[in-house]
Amino acid sequence: NAGVTQTPKFQVLKTGQSMTLQCAQDMNHEYMSWYRQDPGMGLRLIHYSVGAGITDQGEVPNGYNVSRSTTEDFPLRLLSAAPSQTSVYFCASRVTVGAEQYFGPGTRLTVT
Amino acid sequence: QQPVQSPQAVILREGEDAVINCSSSKALYSVHWYRQKHGEAPVFLMILLKGGEQKGHEKISASFNEKKQQSSLYLTASQLSYSGTYFCGTEEGSNYKLTFGKGTLLTVNP
Repeated sequence: NAGVTQTPKFQVLKTGQSMTLQCAQDMNHEYMSWYRQDPGMGLRLIHYSVGAGITDQGEVPNGYNVSRSTTEDFPLRLLSAAPSQTSVYFCASRVTVGAEQYFGPGTRLTVT
Repeated sequence: QQPVQSPQAVILREGEDAVINCSSSKALYSVHWYRQKHGEAPVFLMILLKGGEQKGHEKISASFNEKKQQSSLYLTASQLSYSGTYFCGTEEGSNYKLTFGKGTLLTVNP
């Protein structure tokens, strides 16, 4: 198993550009989540999904969009990048509530 | 709503013990503990479930007080490899979110 994979590893965007961060898992996990990590702020939940076709907002959803058309994939879209979105983004999955969560390696995004 | 962790940072010498605390104002279904090394992704340590079940690494111990919605992670006889940032995550009983605290930076010196 590859586990949770994320692409790209690094990305630099200009303000106003849009892009999609890719996330995939091969463990047949129903639950998937996106977090952003900023110094001193811990891991903050952006969006999450409890199965294909079902998504919901986390703590900091503004400026981000998600969809879940398959169990395996959970892409995160930045609609119009802003410098405040400079961060490290982690995708994660778990089989159900109360289960171990697996994290991807992260995407380091810089918005200039 | 993020759970609250304390302390924010702790420095130990090898062999010393530490306790990291996590609290929430919500009714919890589970508490998760993860460790993150610099530049890496968080790695699972332990889950404590409502009702007393625990799942995780044998060398890590933790407690979950369901009445107070508080959890503590106990690190005994610390090793250099214990250094990193420790995060607690909480799942509420009413939804499926897993939200994390701001972390506790643990440094173990020789």
